[in-house]
Amino acid sequence: NAGVTQTPKFRVLKTGQSMTLLCAQDMNHEYMYWYRQDPGMGLRLIHYSVGEGTTAKGEVPDGYNVSRLKKQNFLLGLESAAPSQTSVYFCASEEGAATQPQHFGDGTRLSIL
Amino acid sequence: GQNIDQPTEMTATEGAIVQINCTYQTSGFNGLFWYQQHAGEAPTFLSYNVLDGLEEKGRFSSFLSRSKGYSYLLLKELQMKDSASYLCAVLDSNYQLIWGAGTKLIIKP
Repeated sequence: NAGVTQTPKFRVLKTGQSMTLLCAQDMNHEYMYWYRQDPGMGLRLIHYSVGEGTTAKGEVPDGYNVSRLKKQNFLLGLESAAPSQTSVYFCASEEGAATQPQHFGDGTRLSIL
Repeated sequence: GQNIDQPTEMTATEGAIVQINCTYQTSGFNGLFWYQQHAGEAPTFLSYNVLDGLEEKGRFSSFLSRSKGYSYLLLKELQMKDSASYLCAVLDSNYQLIWGAGTKLIIKP
């Protein structure tokens, strides 16, 4: 009963390094989302996908890229990490109607030094 | 612009009742969600309202007034495990979720 699984759970990077965050869901959901959560702010949408092979920009997409090559996986890439990208990143999935609740992974805590 | 307002922090006593308010100004409205988030954990779904009125789920109830741009989450018979942040989120006219910053609820014995 895995639901939404994010890897890694923690990571420390140096400025300029690149990395990929992986999100996997086993619920056959169509929609997937990447958010960042910072203290005192609401969840902010980075990118999202409404189906395999499709992606779209959210509220704060700069500095990030995504890919959805398989329905169950949604990857978030940081090409050249910056300290401003220090945050907790959450992946979520949803059946395919926006009025359905989103199911979240446990988050990835990322620090950029 | 789009805006969701919630109190930053609230304190309540174990066994009591607490009401967490959420006001919103969004471009269109297609429903309002409440999520619970324990510290260091993922948000989990509590309720969804799209019509005016009160919806009850056990100890938790959620109310919506679309004309006033207002919702509240009511928690009864508070337990220590209810200490968490409560997130309000609105689906706008484009079916995008707009999130509030959350209300941190502290329960004291």
